[in-house]
Amino acid sequence: DTAVSQTPKYLVTQMGNDKSIKCEQNLGHDTMYWYKQDSKKFLKIMFSYNNKELIINETVPNRFSPKSPDKAHLNLHINSLELGDSAVYFCASSLVRGGNNEQFFGPGTRLTVL
Amino acid sequence: DQQVKQNSPSLSVQEGRISILNCDYTNSMFDYFLWYKKYPAEGPTFLISISSIKDKNEDGRFTVFLNKSAKHLSLHIVPSQPGDSAVYFCAATIIRGANNLFFGTGTRLTVIP
Repeated sequence: DTAVSQTPKYLVTQMGNDKSIKCEQNLGHDTMYWYKQDSKKFLKIMFSYNNKELIINETVPNRFSPKSPDKAHLNLHINSLELGDSAVYFCASSLVRGGNNEQFFGPGTRLTVL
Repeated sequence: DQQVKQNSPSLSVQEGRISILNCDYTNSMFDYFLWYKKYPAEGPTFLISISSIKDKNEDGRFTVFLNKSAKHLSLHIVPSQPGDSAVYFCAATIIRGANNLFFGTGTRLTVIP
């Protein structure tokens, strides 16, 4: 009964490919997030998604697009992958309305672009 | 432009002693602060938090102190246990904002038995 799950856990792909990472939360939270942890271990917000409102970090290239089929899922699509996209990607969720903004994180997806 | 900083990348402490992890921030709009613990190959796990209206919050062996005028917070773990060995991330957010967490770069704590 994992609270926030991500698939796949590891993803190895070639430059130029398009890939997706899936995220699901079963906590009934209203907001979901994607974070990127780069080689320097710096965790940085990429997107947050609340009730169909998408808030984008302006530094994220438009090759990255989040897609939310419903409140429990927020998938991350990446087009034309580049070497610099190699990182660990974490999905998270929280209850913003009436919550304390404690975010619960998934186990991460380690993406390696060759 | 890193708004949350943890200047000590690592810390080693003897079992039973106190561990003190420090964090500084630059954005005076931050009003909620959190500490996360992370083991290898896992996602960060929430540990303890504090609102800007408080200067201390305690939960068992963990206490977080906030000094708003210095834009500084610290996490105290006492007594430290070997199972506390992990990377600790400080994070900050604006509650009525986008609710994004701004993370520090983490401090690797090693508790020596």
